[in-house]
Amino acid sequence: GAVVSQHPSRVICKSGTSVKIECRSLDFQATTMFWYRQFPKKSLMLMATSNEGSKATYEQGVEKDKFLINHASLTLSTLTVTSAHPEDSSFYICSLWTLDYNEQFFGPGTRLTVL
Amino acid sequence: DQQVKQNSPSLSVQEGRISILNCDYTNSMFDYFLWYKKYPAEGPTFLISISSIKDKNEDGRFTVFLNKSAKHLSLHIVPSQPGDSAVYFCAARDSYSGTYKYIFGTGTRLKVLA
Repeated sequence: GAVVSQHPSRVICKSGTSVKIECRSLDFQATTMFWYRQFPKKSLMLMATSNEGSKATYEQGVEKDKFLINHASLTLSTLTVTSAHPEDSSFYICSLWTLDYNEQFFGPGTRLTVL
Repeated sequence: DQQVKQNSPSLSVQEGRISILNCDYTNSMFDYFLWYKKYPAEGPTFLISISSIKDKNEDGRFTVFLNKSAKHLSLHIVPSQPGDSAVYFCAARDSYSGTYKYIFGTGTRLKVLA
């Protein structure tokens, strides 16, 4: 299967700052990447679908100006949490999808804590 | 509205016995179903999947059953091992939207007792 990395694995920031999370596909060219967030003991909630070279498609209720997604290349997608607040504290996970496989491959996740 | 539901938040099973995890869905347009295993602070790892045109798929100790008329799928693990202890998510894919996005259930925490 595909190998997906995320950086950083953990980040603590002050309220009001912006945080960038990188998602990289190490061995596949990913035309489509997905961003999820997970609250404690809750399901993975899809935030947005990111297609290389085009604007991301956000799920209902997700603020696109707050969660900026840039899929600049076939191996890199970034999620920037702008003006982070404590309620943005969560576990953020990316995944990639390719035509060669029938399932998504997930990154290891990033734990964001906003103080 | 939760389109994919896992009504049992937790399950405890004795080592060597069968674990049965259940999942219900509401959208009849879902065409592909998957089970993922997740440890805390890690991304989900793929376990097994099933197409909507099948009713059973088996891979080693893991078997997934799909009942389309009941909109229900289940994951059987036999024999269960302590290393199977984790949170299990079922996911459904909606290919008709063209985005291949997954809808996840709320997860079931499985604990296999030695």
